Amino acid sequence: GESVGLHLPTLSVQEGDNSIINCAYSNSASDYFIWYKQESGKGPQFIIDIRSNMDKRQGQRVTVLLNKTVKHLSLQIAATQPGDSAVYFCAENGNYKLSFGAGTTVTVRA
Amino acid sequence: DAGVIQSPRHEVTEMGQEVTLRCKPISGHNSLFWYRQTMMRGLELLIYFNNNVPIDDSGMPEDRFSAKMPNASFSTLKIQPSEPRDSAVYFCASMIQGSSNQPQHFGDGTRLSIL
Repeated sequence: GESVGLHLPTLSVQEGDNSIINCAYSNSASDYFIWYKQESGKGPQFIIDIRSNMDKRQGQRVTVLLNKTVKHLSLQIAATQPGDSAVYFCAENGNYKLSFGAGTTVTVRA
Repeated sequence: DAGVIQSPRHEVTEMGQEVTLRCKPISGHNSLFWYRQTMMRGLELLIYFNNNVPIDDSGMPEDRFSAKMPNASFSTLKIQPSEPRDSAVYFCASMIQGSSNQPQHFGDGTRLSIL
C-alpha cells in the first residue's frame, strides 16, 4: 500500500549547526505535506506545510523542500537549538487522512 | 488561543473497566480526529468526524471502541471493556476542512494504561 517513511530514525546535531531531516513518500497523487514536531509528553505540533504546486517554503528558522520527481521531502532547521530536540514527523495528507512517517528523533548536543 | 483540549491527561485502570476519553476541539474547526500512538505502530487514525458526523471509522480496532460527537465542541472515545493491549497514548486533533488544505492540530493526548 501507499506509505510515508523516513530515511533515518535518529539525528544528532551540534547546537548552532543546521539540521536536515528527510522523508520519502510513495503516493504520487499526494498534494499536501506537513511537518510536525513532537516533544516528550506532548502531541504533534504543526511546524510547516507545503502544497504540491510549490518546491520550497520557508518559515521561521525552518525550510521545507519538496521534490516531486523523486517523491522526497525534507525539513531544514537553521541554527539548531536545544529546544529543537524532539521527534519530527512528515505527514502526507490525502483529502482528510494523514499518513505519518515513522519519525526522526533529533538530539541537539550542547 | 486555546488549542485542542483533552482529558484526562493520564488514566490508569484495570482491565475490564470502561474508559472514556474526552476532547474539545479548537473553536470553529469542523473536523475532528481520534488517533492512537504506540511505539510499535506509530500514529494510527481511529475515526474521523466532519460536522459532528462520523465519516470514517475504519480504524476503530473492534466493537469495544466507540466514539461520539454530540456537538461541535465535544467528542468522546470510549473503550468498554478495556484490555491491556489498549494501553497507548490517544490523541484528538481538529482542523478546518474546506476548499483548501489545512493542517490538523493535535491535543497533548491521554496516556492510557490498562493493568
